[in-house]
Amino acid sequence: DIQMTQSPSSLSASVGDTVSMSCRASQSISSSLNWYQQKPGEAPKLLIYAASFLQTGVPSGFSGSGSGTDFTLTISSLQSEDFATYYCQQSYSTPFTFGQGTKVEI
Amino acid sequence: QVQLQQSGPGLLKPSQTLSLTCTVSGVSISSGGYYWSWIRQSSGKGLEWLGYMFNSAHSYYNPSLKSRITLSADTSKNQFSLRLSFVTAADTAVYYCARDQGAAADGVHYGMDFWGQGTMVTVSS
Repeated sequence: DIQMTQSPSSLSASVGDTVSMSCRASQSISSSLNWYQQKPGEAPKLLIYAASFLQTGVPSGFSGSGSGTDFTLTISSLQSEDFATYYCQQSYSTPFTFGQGTKVEI
Repeated sequence: QVQLQQSGPGLLKPSQTLSLTCTVSGVSISSGGYYWSWIRQSSGKGLEWLGYMFNSAHSYYNPSLKSRITLSADTSKNQFSLRLSFVTAADTAVYYCARDQGAAADGVHYGMDFWGQGTMVTVSS
């Protein structure tokens, strides 16, 4: 299985900050990397697919980059509703696997 | 608007079979070429992809579940279902159904864009 490692596990930020988080795959996954946002008690929400494509309806302050094994999710001008846990997921080969998450806290 | 509504029991005893159904509205599960997936989330293992099916008949499963998992579809009801046999406490988790917006015809996957509300399943004697 492809292992997905996210860092940091948590980060503290303020409204208006720009934050970035990392996701690393144990082997090359090309651009088959998706990012999700999850709030307590809710299902994950797809933000970015294929490493850098913004899902319909997602604010433009979210952006993704990377290919191969190293990927980054950046949130520009953090809003109060952006405080959540973010997960990466590889869809390169089955079994699809998720990172352990990065929690963005105030 | 695509919606996924989950149903099924939330409390099981060890060795029983978990059975959950996902009723889809807004799109036919037998057309469009999407993948219909199951994922679970536990405090111990995080998010775990369980498997998907497409074209109402073809399925791929997570090998970690070995022969315990079966996915099926009822196209007349626009539903797809998960069965997990011989459950143990390790299967305690929130279970989600979801649509993978990839294209089955091309074998590509573009992430899971619509999710069910989640079902908390507890396995306890």
